[in-house]
Amino acid sequence: DAGVIQSPRHEVTEMGQEVTLRCKPISGHNSLFWYRQTMMRGLELLIYFNNNVPIDDSGMPEDRFSAKMPNASFSTLKIQPSEPRDSAVYFCASSLGGLLNEKLFFGSGTQLSVL
Amino acid sequence: EDQVTQSPEALRLQEGESSSLNCSYTVSGLRGLFWYRQDPGKGPEFLFTLYSAGEEKEKERLKATLTKKESFLHITAPKPEDSATYLCAVRGQGGKLIFGQGTELSVKP
Repeated sequence: DAGVIQSPRHEVTEMGQEVTLRCKPISGHNSLFWYRQTMMRGLELLIYFNNNVPIDDSGMPEDRFSAKMPNASFSTLKIQPSEPRDSAVYFCASSLGGLLNEKLFFGSGTQLSVL
Repeated sequence: EDQVTQSPEALRLQEGESSSLNCSYTVSGLRGLFWYRQDPGKGPEFLFTLYSAGEEKEKERLKATLTKKESFLHITAPKPEDSATYLCAVRGQGGKLIFGQGTELSVKP
């Protein structure tokens, strides 16, 4: 199995630009999570999908952030407009069984730098 | 509010020098405490889940234990390949995983 695949691995953009991060979960997994990791705040859950439906987006910091999951094998996280404080590593994770499943499988992350 | 605090922030060991990492937590209705390992440039990788005080789990040189207030990750005779950041997370009644800041472990040969 290829695991959770994220793209791009690195993204450098200027403040005000739109940024789109992509994720392909493990085939057969029905839950998908977007996390953000910073030195100051550690790993934070942004949004959680179950069976392609957003269940909890309370971690999404502002309206500038949006996430979609059009089908079981693809999700996007969009930031528009981007700001320097959005700089972080963004991880996608998937699991089988929903929020209470103990084992999340993480991708390698997207390192986002907003100048 | 659910909270996780890990200590120390960083730990340097010589190969073969056993030690422990600490994870202190406050959570309403613990529904699992999790340990993950994170290598540089990679996402966290699942290690253990503990559900009740007194529970222990082992994997190679690692053993995780749980009390009502904290968890320990014991590393016995570590090797350089054990170098990584170790993350602790708790799940409360809300269902979400709350992660600690991690302990960066470095094992020198």
